[in-house]
This record gives sequence, structure tokens and C-alpha cells, in this order.
Amino acid sequence: GENVEQHPSTLSVQEGDSAVIKCTYSDSASNYFPWYKQELGKRPQLIIDIRSNVGEKKDQRIAVTLNKTAKHFSLHITETQPEDSAVYFCAASSGGYQKVTFGIGTKLQVIP
Amino acid sequence: GAVVSQHPSWVICKSGTSVKIECRSLDFQATTMFWYRQFPKQSLMLMATSNEGSKATYEQGVEKDKFLINHASLTLSTLTVTSAHPEDSSFYICSAFPQMDEQFFGPGTRLTVL
Repeated sequence: GENVEQHPSTLSVQEGDSAVIKCTYSDSASNYFPWYKQELGKRPQLIIDIRSNVGEKKDQRIAVTLNKTAKHFSLHITETQPEDSAVYFCAASSGGYQKVTFGIGTKLQVIP
Repeated sequence: GAVVSQHPSWVICKSGTSVKIECRSLDFQATTMFWYRQFPKQSLMLMATSNEGSKATYEQGVEKDKFLINHASLTLSTLTVTSAHPEDSSFYICSAFPQMDEQFFGPGTRLTVL
């Protein structure tokens, strides 16, 4: 089955700096890669996703890159703000209505 | 937008009792729903795939006789934790896909077994 590795597990940045979270996946059949943000005690919320036919996608301060050959994908948050503090999960699936495999999560702390 | 609800949001029970958690898709039909468990400071671990009108598919290591799943309608799946023990205390979250690729999560149910 799919295995998703994520690092770092914790990340502290100063407000205004950038944050980068990296993930790798094992199953070459995976073609859909969502990223979720989870605040304490709440449900995960989709913040951005990328499909395997695209190398990069950007939405305001958030961007995701995908290297399908290397099976790597990354989340980039620029101009971080305190409200970006949360746990971020990368995930992979074969798309459609198929199950999603999550990384271990990265606890991001943005220091004011 | 699509909404997935769960009930109850939290429950405390005594060891040995059974607890039922409901997951509903409020404005769409879901032939498939997913049940996850999340321990403190850990990731979401898929427990099982709930299929409307057929048996659930359990992930390796998840006891199907302990975690009973029923998906009797296109908008409702239930997870029953039977003979709960303290080690079953966790955050249980369901999810469904209102459309392809877009997974929506329920708000979660925090189970505490005394």
C-alpha cells in the first residue's frame, strides 16, 4: 500500500518568514496530493491540492510543488502569520473516491 | 457547500460498554464513507471504508468485530465501538466525498473510556 513520509515534524518560524514542509510517497499509482490544515480539536481542512499532471500550484501565500519522478511534493507558505500556526498534513491517493493516506503531520508555530 | 456531520461530538463511557458514533452527509449522497482514528499528536489513521449496502472494508490491524460499521443509507454511516476500553479513547473522524477528489471531514467525536 501507499506510504507517505513527512518532515519536519515540528517547525518554528518568525512571522513573515517562509515555511516549507516536504513529503515523499511510495506508490507510483498515486496521482492526487492534498494538503490539510488541522487546528487543535478540529477537523482537517483542505488548503490546497495538486494532481500529478501539474508540477506547481499556487493560491495566494500557499504553493505546492510536485516532482513525480522523485515522488516528492512540498508545501510552501510565504509571509507566515500567527494564524498559520496549526498542524499540516500531506496526503496521497489514487484520486477519485479512493482512500487517502496521510503523512505524520507537521506542527507549525509562527512566532509573532 | 458540502457538509459532513458527526454525532455525538464527545462521549464519555465506562469500560466494557459500547458506543455508537453517527456520520451523516447533509447535502449529498455518499456511497462510500471513511472512518479514521487520531490519537493525540498523531496523524489520522484510516480504520475502515464504509460501503453503502455492503460490508465495510477494514484496514490491516483493525478488529472488525470490535469496530462495527453499518452504512444502511446513502447519507448515514455508523461506527460502534464494542466493549470499549481505555486504549480505545481517541478522536474518531469520518469523511466522505461529495465529488471526486474532494474529501470532506466530519467534526470528529472525542471518545473517552474510563
